[in-house]
Amino acid sequence: QVQLQESGPGLVKPSETLSLTCTVSGGSISSYYWSWIRQPPGKGLEWIGYIYYSGSTNYNPSLKSRVTISVDTSKNQFSLKLSSVTAADTAVYYCARSNRIAVAAPPYWYFDLWGRGTLVTVSS
Amino acid sequence: DIQMTQSPSSLSASVGDRVTITCRASQSISSYLNWYQQKPGKAPKLLIYAASSLQSGVPSRFSGSGSGTDFTLTISSLQPEDFATYYCQQSYSTPGFTFGPGTKVDIK
Repeated sequence: QVQLQESGPGLVKPSETLSLTCTVSGGSISSYYWSWIRQPPGKGLEWIGYIYYSGSTNYNPSLKSRVTISVDTSKNQFSLKLSSVTAADTAVYYCARSNRIAVAAPPYWYFDLWGRGTLVTVSS
Repeated sequence: DIQMTQSPSSLSASVGDRVTITCRASQSISSYLNWYQQKPGKAPKLLIYAASSLQSGVPSRFSGSGSGTDFTLTISSLQPEDFATYYCQQSYSTPGFTFGPGTKVDIK
């Protein structure tokens, strides 16, 4: 079955760039959209953005100026970069498959497969 | 931006109870509403999509209803493994999928 696994540094210094990779195993990254979602400790969920396997992206407007999501289909991976981080960016970061049903306009979207998550702490 | 609220923020219930959680959107989102279950230290799990469609593998005691701005998630007979936090999420407005603040269900 398809599995997702996040990887990357668990500690990032303030003002630096957070970089994470999600590896998709057991299936192809093609033909799906892939998202990053984060959850500060003890708080709720925030969608960061998604990428299509072709490379097209869509970002949360609140984070758009600092976010870059990219895809490497040859490695079955997609990645997140978040620049100029502060303590407010400390969170568990999840990668997730963004599935959609195009039976209506707009399509129905939902996150049907998730990685286990990785905690990233922003601290000097 | 579409804001999502949930009520209650927490509830205590017993095994076998019928539990209802409400989610409200700040504007009409038709049936573009999903529900997730999250247990401590785990990733969220999709339960319901498009307001009332049960995700494959999810027990039939979970059901969703609603349209427009008001939605409910119902657990018909609460089981021990259902104690968790439940989140709603709207997918009507893209970009900017937003989640509700969550409802924690714990043991009475």
